[in-house]
Amino acid sequence: DSGVTQTPKHLITATGQRVTLRCSPRSGDLSVYWYQQSLDQGLQFLIQYYNGEERAKGNILERFSAQQFPDLHSELNLSSLELGDSALYFCASSQGGQGNQPQHFGDGTRLSIL
Amino acid sequence: AQKITQTQPGMFVQEKEAVTLDCTYDTSDQSYGLFWYKQPSSGEMIFLIYQGSYDEQNATEGRYSLNFQKARKSANLVISASQLGDSAMYFCAMRENNAGNMLTFGGGTRLMVKP
Repeated sequence: DSGVTQTPKHLITATGQRVTLRCSPRSGDLSVYWYQQSLDQGLQFLIQYYNGEERAKGNILERFSAQQFPDLHSELNLSSLELGDSALYFCASSQGGQGNQPQHFGDGTRLSIL
Repeated sequence: AQKITQTQPGMFVQEKEAVTLDCTYDTSDQSYGLFWYKQPSSGEMIFLIYQGSYDEQNATEGRYSLNFQKARKSANLVISASQLGDSAMYFCAMRENNAGNMLTFGGGTRLMVKP
């Protein structure tokens, strides 16, 4: 158990819809990262938050947004969903925003678009 | 160019034998870190081992060790005494100091341990 909690574990929805994925980091971790794992793109970094502030942005679509709340949990919002958004979405956390600290991953949310 | 290359899509190893999973990387940063993660069929990502670019000793964590050859830009994972539970996907990842703290992942190697 990594200590990172992601909900829901599975999500099935239709094209055009909007969903919210939730992540609670490990106790004491200030940084939260979101990654997308798909068959064609592999594992890709989406966005990082550190103590409530956006720290880094990767290949995140404009239809996607995220935030980190004062209690440090984070939400990833995906809107106008397309079939290609079907993927495993991971949240990871680390103590700080730098260096040799490993990122600990949650179990992921599997999103299926029908 | 690929930043992280894992050239072995799939590998078999006999139970109790050692196995090496290859990883080469490409960066112009002097300061970077290399990570290995395990993803079992259940889907979760499990951190295994870390090597910093300035670390002089190869990292070890239990049955896992990292064969770090900086000049060759390789960071191979060695698993000793393979167990059936080691069957999984293994990902090599890199953090570059100039790119913040994001991880860039390779395509992964599927390891299958034979009884």
